[in-house]
Amino acid sequence: NAGVTQTPKFQVLKTGQSMTLQCAQDMNHEYMSWYRQDPGMGLRLIHYSVGAGITDQGEVPNGYNVSRSTTEDFPLRLLSAAPSQTSVYFCASSPTRASETQYFGPGTRLLVL
Amino acid sequence: DQQVKQNSPSLSVQEGRISILNCDYTNSMFDYFLWYKKYPAEGPTFLISISSIKDKNEDGRFTVFLNKSAKHLSLHIVPSQPGDSAVYFCAASEYVNRDDKIIFGKGTRLHILP
Repeated sequence: NAGVTQTPKFQVLKTGQSMTLQCAQDMNHEYMSWYRQDPGMGLRLIHYSVGAGITDQGEVPNGYNVSRSTTEDFPLRLLSAAPSQTSVYFCASSPTRASETQYFGPGTRLLVL
Repeated sequence: DQQVKQNSPSLSVQEGRISILNCDYTNSMFDYFLWYKKYPAEGPTFLISISSIKDKNEDGRFTVFLNKSAKHLSLHIVPSQPGDSAVYFCAASEYVNRDDKIIFGKGTRLHILP
């Protein structure tokens, strides 16, 4: 059982480039979410989804887009990368709600130059 | 404005003693509170949670206490072990009109001393 997988593990981008961070889960979970972790800032919710076709904004959504066309996949898109988006990004999933046990992926470390 | 606050960035505890990690919140509508543990270069893992209708939840060496009037919760680890050295995040969730968000604190780094 793979759980939550994220690709890539590490990425370097130049300012203005776009990219997609991939997230997939094989647990048939309805709730999926993206967080960023910055030093001294904890985990901040970027976007979340309560099921296929439904997405909503978290605390820090600006500069990021998401879509949820299937239950399994929840990609995060950076449309025009900025140095302020240098961070570690975690994807997570839970059966139905944010308050249930969330299973986190291993993270993607992103550096924007 | 932080809705979930962990005011101690770090804590050092002797192996075998009790570790107490604290968390304060401001939103009285939070209905679930959770603790996650994180090792370096790994994703966080769920530790323990408590519903707002309870004041205590226990799971082995881990106990979470909730004081709603003070808007305060704490995580007790007894006895503390070397493998408990990690960053601990307190989190709170609120479910309102299909809006299902979770807010994390900034974390407390726990060092278990030999």
